[in-house]
Amino acid sequence: KNEVEQSPQNLTAQEGEFITINCSYSVGISALHWLQQHPGGGIVSLFMLSSGKKKHGRLIATINIQEKHSSLHITASHPRDSAVYICAANYGGATNKLIFGTGTLLAVQP
Amino acid sequence: EAGVTQSPTHLIKTRGQQVTLRCSPISGHTSVYWYQQALGLGLQFLLWYDEGEERNRGNFPPRFSGRQFPNYSSELNVNALELEDSALYLCASNGQAYNEQFFGPGTRLTVL
Repeated sequence: KNEVEQSPQNLTAQEGEFITINCSYSVGISALHWLQQHPGGGIVSLFMLSSGKKKHGRLIATINIQEKHSSLHITASHPRDSAVYICAANYGGATNKLIFGTGTLLAVQP
Repeated sequence: EAGVTQSPTHLIKTRGQQVTLRCSPISGHTSVYWYQQALGLGLQFLLWYDEGEERNRGNFPPRFSGRQFPNYSSELNVNALELEDSALYLCASNGQAYNEQFFGPGTRLTVL
C-alpha cells in the first residue's frame, strides 16, 4: 500500500475554475511537498509545508497534521496550469527520502 | 543562481550495457538525491548522498550505484541494463536534510 494517496488521478477543468487536489499520508511526516511536472518531465517544487497554509500567486497549499491530509488549490485556473501535480511526504528520520503520490493529471481547457 | 543540472538529457543504450548519469547540485547544496520515474509508475527514491557519503538507498538492486564527489556533484551508475530500466532519472539537491529539494531537468534513458 502506497503510504501517500492522491486524488483525483485525472482532472479536467474549464479555464477559470477553482481546482482542488487532495493528498493523504499514513503516518507522521516531517514535511509535505507539492511538485509540478510538465510534459517532458521537468519537475518544479511548488511548496514544502509542515503545518498550516502557504500561498504563492494563484496556488494555495494547506496541511492538516491531525487528519494527515493536504490539499493543493488552484484559483482562476488557466490552460498553462495543465500538468501533473505530485505530492510527496518526507517521513524524516535517518531515511530522509520522499515518498511520492501517484500524481494528478490536470487538464485545463480554454 | 544556476539550478540543478543533469547530463546527458537523453540516452539510448542496449540491454546489458552500463550507463553513467551525472548531476550537479545547486551551489552550496551538499545533499543529492536520485529518483527514477519509469513509464506508468510514479517517482521512486533511488539514492541519497550527503557530504560524499551514501546515506540511504531505495529498493533497487545493487547494479544501481553511485557516488558523490568532493564538489558535491554526483554520478548514478547502472550496470547490466535491463529493459525496465528505461525511465526518467531525476536528481535533486538541498542544503540541509528535510529542507525543500530542488529538482534537475532529468535524464531520459531508453534501453533497447
